[in-house]
Amino acid sequence: AQSVAQPEDQVNVAEGNPLTVKCTYSVSGNPYLFWYVQYPNRGLQFLLKYITGDNLVKGSYGFEAEFNKSQTSFHLKKPSALVSDSALYFCAVRAMNTGFQKLVFGTGTRLLVSP
Amino acid sequence: SQTIHQWPATLVQPVGSPLSLECTVEGTSNPNLYWYRQAAGRGLQLLFYSVGIGQISSEVPQNLSASRPQDRQFILSSKKLLLSDSGFYLCAWSALWTTEAFFGQGTRLTVV
Repeated sequence: AQSVAQPEDQVNVAEGNPLTVKCTYSVSGNPYLFWYVQYPNRGLQFLLKYITGDNLVKGSYGFEAEFNKSQTSFHLKKPSALVSDSALYFCAVRAMNTGFQKLVFGTGTRLLVSP
Repeated sequence: SQTIHQWPATLVQPVGSPLSLECTVEGTSNPNLYWYRQAAGRGLQLLFYSVGIGQISSEVPQNLSASRPQDRQFILSSKKLLLSDSGFYLCAWSALWTTEAFFGQGTRLTVV
């Protein structure tokens, strides 16, 4: 069964500094990997995904993520954080197998960007 | 383009009352549909998923049920709500030709 770990409950960063939100995964076979963002009392918004190809994936709002197969990680990054990036971030994985495969989420990491 | 609608946005219900939350998807056919629950503003728990009309898979035993009466309609129900059913309920869809899921805006359910 697939699983996702987000080891940090909260990440604090100053505006203008780079940010990293960590994610590791476990899945049988090759993974599809995703990052979502959630603002208070709202649904999840899709940020980016890794399917295959380049290990560095670029997404919405200047975010990017790096897939590392040997470390089974998919960390979310942004070169320069904005206060408006403060939100709850979820990593998710789906197995790249035939047939229906569930999307499994991590427990989320709260990002707080201070002015 | 595809859109997902979920309503109501907020709901306050007494213990023991019934529940019906509705989710519809527009602009696509035969989507995979999901109900998630988010407790205390954090982790997402998959409650049900459906790969077609009348096909419902339950992930966890609970006081809730789901139905899919039409291709793009997914309903979450309960006959008698419990206090522990309070939470933020999210509907989502995905398709064979997309790998990611897209979420509705959620329903905040408070059972009192």
